[in-house]
This record gives sequence, C-alpha cells and structure tokens, in this order.
Amino acid sequence: QQQVKQSPQSLIVQKGGISIINCAYENTAFDYFPWYQQFPGKGPALLIAIRPDVSEKKEGRFTISFNKSAKQFSLHIMDSQPGDSATYFCAASTAQGNLIFGKGTKLSVKP
Amino acid sequence: SAVISQKPSRDICQRGTSLTIQCQVDSQVTMMFWYRQQPGQSLTLIATANQGSEATYESGFVIDKFPISRPNLTFSTLTVSNMSPEDSSIYLCSVTEVRTSRGDTQYFGPGTRLTVL
Repeated sequence: QQQVKQSPQSLIVQKGGISIINCAYENTAFDYFPWYQQFPGKGPALLIAIRPDVSEKKEGRFTISFNKSAKQFSLHIMDSQPGDSATYFCAASTAQGNLIFGKGTKLSVKP
Repeated sequence: SAVISQKPSRDICQRGTSLTIQCQVDSQVTMMFWYRQQPGQSLTLIATANQGSEATYESGFVIDKFPISRPNLTFSTLTVSNMSPEDSSIYLCSVTEVRTSRGDTQYFGPGTRLTVL
C-alpha cells in the first residue's frame, strides 16, 4: 500500500514531442505528489509538485495531471527537448510520513 | 531553496574499511535525511538524522552499519561501516527547510558516489 508504481521504465521521444510519465498509488492518505528530475552524476532536483486539491498544475513546459478518484498522476513535458533527457521520479507522501519514490523513468529526447 | 553540499563527491574504498560522508546546508533546515541509490535504481531512505539524538532508521538499515550524526541544524554525517561491494551506491543527503510548513518538500544534495572493491 506504500508503493508508488511508475511507468514506463524508459521512454524515447522526438524533439518537440510530448513526453508522458504515469504514476499510480494505493494509499489514500498520500497528499503530496512531487516529481524529481535527475541527470547522470547529479542529485535529484525538485521539478514540480501537486497537492490533491487541484487536478492540474503547470509550470512552463511541465504539467502534472492528478486524478484523485483513479489514484493516478502524470507528468507531461510539452515540446520535449534533448536537454530534458534525464531520469524522472515520481513520489508521494503524507504530512507525517516520508517520501515514497517510484522506480524512475529514463527519458531520451532525440534531436 | 537550500544549497546542499556533500563531501566527498566520490570515493573508491577497500572492502572492510569505513567511509564518512558529510552533508552541509547553507541555511537552517528542519529535517535531514540520508538516502541510498544503487546503480540505475530508485531512492531508498536509510534514516532521518535527528539533531542531538539518535537517527531514526528505516527497515533493513541499522545503526552499527550506518551510524549517523547531526550535531546542529546545518550539518550531518553518514558513515558506511565495514564496507562490502554491495555497498557500492550513490549516497544522497536531503533536507526540508524551516520555512516549509510541511516536512515533505525535500531538496537533495549532489550525492556521494561510492565504489567498494
């Protein structure tokens, strides 16, 4: 019940395309859902986060869509660029708990 | 967000030895955490570093193997003891800031890449 399931494991997108990464959870007590971006040799960087009182949050080319009834959330990267090539992790937590991470998605954006 | 530094950035160690990793933050933070990330894998929480008291360890991690100190609000150390090749991983420090009303907005340091021969 503490798991966060992330898919796909890897994703190849053409430059200018839309990258979509999906996550699902079971614990209805989760109320904070961040996405992290990690480049090789670097620590994860907080990209964008959402709380379940909204269904969508957009920051630049990055959008989180949140479906509370389905217990799913997704990251959309619009106009994907080669510089977006990285590993993306979704995560979830409760107010009292620690972050639970998905297994990660390795995104490659081809020029 | 807080600026987090870790030392060393990488190291190659011999089996049976110990390595201490330092985490320094440029501002006061509420929570400090230590994670392990094995090659190509996700992040696994080792423990929460508590200021002035014993760290809180997650299942599968013990103090004898991963002693942690946190003498103040901006500094913590993680020691990987009696290392074996299975300890080869990236070790990451993360923090939550005082200004955050909840303890869940975490920022990560650059990591320490450890290779055990």
